Amino acid sequence: TQLLEQSPQFLSIQEGENLTVYCNSSSVFSSLQWYRQEPGEGPVLLVTVVTGGEVKKLKRLTFQFGDARKDSSLHITAAQTGDTGLYLCAGRDNFNKFYFGSGTKLNVKP
Amino acid sequence: DTAVSQTPKYLVTQMGNDKSIKCEQNLGHDTMYWYKQDSKKFLKIMFSYNNKELIINETVPNRFSPKSPDKAHLNLHINSLELGDSAVYFCASSRAGVGWNQPQHFGDGTRLSIL
Repeated sequence: TQLLEQSPQFLSIQEGENLTVYCNSSSVFSSLQWYRQEPGEGPVLLVTVVTGGEVKKLKRLTFQFGDARKDSSLHITAAQTGDTGLYLCAGRDNFNKFYFGSGTKLNVKP
Repeated sequence: DTAVSQTPKYLVTQMGNDKSIKCEQNLGHDTMYWYKQDSKKFLKIMFSYNNKELIINETVPNRFSPKSPDKAHLNLHINSLELGDSAVYFCASSRAGVGWNQPQHFGDGTRLSIL
């Protein structure tokens, strides 16, 4: 059983479409990070959210931390082929340990 | 120029062998980590060192032994390799203490295949 479940596991969409990826847990986290990983490379940090209800925007990407700090979502507007990759959420607990989610593999077709 | 570098990038070896993976970071970070990513892309922390001192030691077989000669290096030695050890191993580093809201910078991974 994983602490952080992401959905969907796989997502294949056309360029220009919108999508949302979810990261859910029954545990409360002090903060949550989103990473993107491309084949053959390590994950790269996209954003850190700290406050319950916080919303952060990074160009076409919108990140939200749930009010109870148990879940988060990543919304991409007008997806581009360059958004293709594995999206990972990672939560930090009160003991300062990071737990990574199960991952969402996104494929944006031209 | 590379921030976190791991060697080797690929490692293919026989069951029962002993092997080491090296990691170096030139970011001046105090904290370094080893993660294992399985075939389903699940990334799980194995160890974390802060200023050469072991901070996190997850439930990992004692065949795995990390060594930090200085705060810029964290190597991983694995004894008596087993088939289940096949995975991609990532080294990462971050500023300040473990778990602070600092980004973790990852290497490109070492793909370990056990025959």
